[in-house]
Amino acid sequence: KAGVTQTPRYLIKTRGQQVTLSCSPISGHRSVSWYQQTPGQGLQFLFEYFSETQRNKGNFPGRFSGRQFSNSRSEMNVSTLELGDSALYLCASSWTGASTGELFFGEGSRLTVL
Amino acid sequence: GESVGLHLPTLSVQEGDNSIINCAYSNSASDYFIWYKQESGKGPQFIIDIRSNMDKRQGQRVTVLLNKTVKHLSLQIAATQPGDSAVYFCAEIPFTGNQFYFGTGTSLTVIP
Repeated sequence: KAGVTQTPRYLIKTRGQQVTLSCSPISGHRSVSWYQQTPGQGLQFLFEYFSETQRNKGNFPGRFSGRQFSNSRSEMNVSTLELGDSALYLCASSWTGASTGELFFGEGSRLTVL
Repeated sequence: GESVGLHLPTLSVQEGDNSIINCAYSNSASDYFIWYKQESGKGPQFIIDIRSNMDKRQGQRVTVLLNKTVKHLSLQIAATQPGDSAVYFCAEIPFTGNQFYFGTGTSLTVIP
């Protein structure tokens, strides 16, 4: 079956712009989590959605937001981009959430902010 | 907050040798641990997991050991192969949480 699909894979933005990233989870998975990966900080949790509701949120500013649709697909948005937002953004899906089983990761969306 | 650390940022081993990657965690109220492998340009891939009620679990060529007394997790890879070259992350989930806390990763290089 198809894995977690993230689009776009690569994108370049300038400071002050906004960006929207998309994630299609594995069929049947209802939980979608987003992580930011940078060389210095590793994987940092952004938020988790389950059945269209944000269930958990990490320590990121309000510029980072997300949503989940009824088909479990999820989007995350970053507004007013800063240079430090350059990172690999990873989406992960699971049946019901991280505590009940492994996360299946997509290949990520690499964002470069100039 | 959570702190999941890895003892060494890089590790080089000869092909065919065994590899041991270590991880320390700070939250004693953790329930679930996973090791992930991330190859260049790809997302993390599940290797093996272990629950807090276990101290050892074996998979194909991999073994995870959990020492709750010292809050230490290790990943052992037997007969390391070039395809094992990657960054390895440990991750933990507390009993009360629903998110993973990841370590910063250990880069494993296998020397042919």
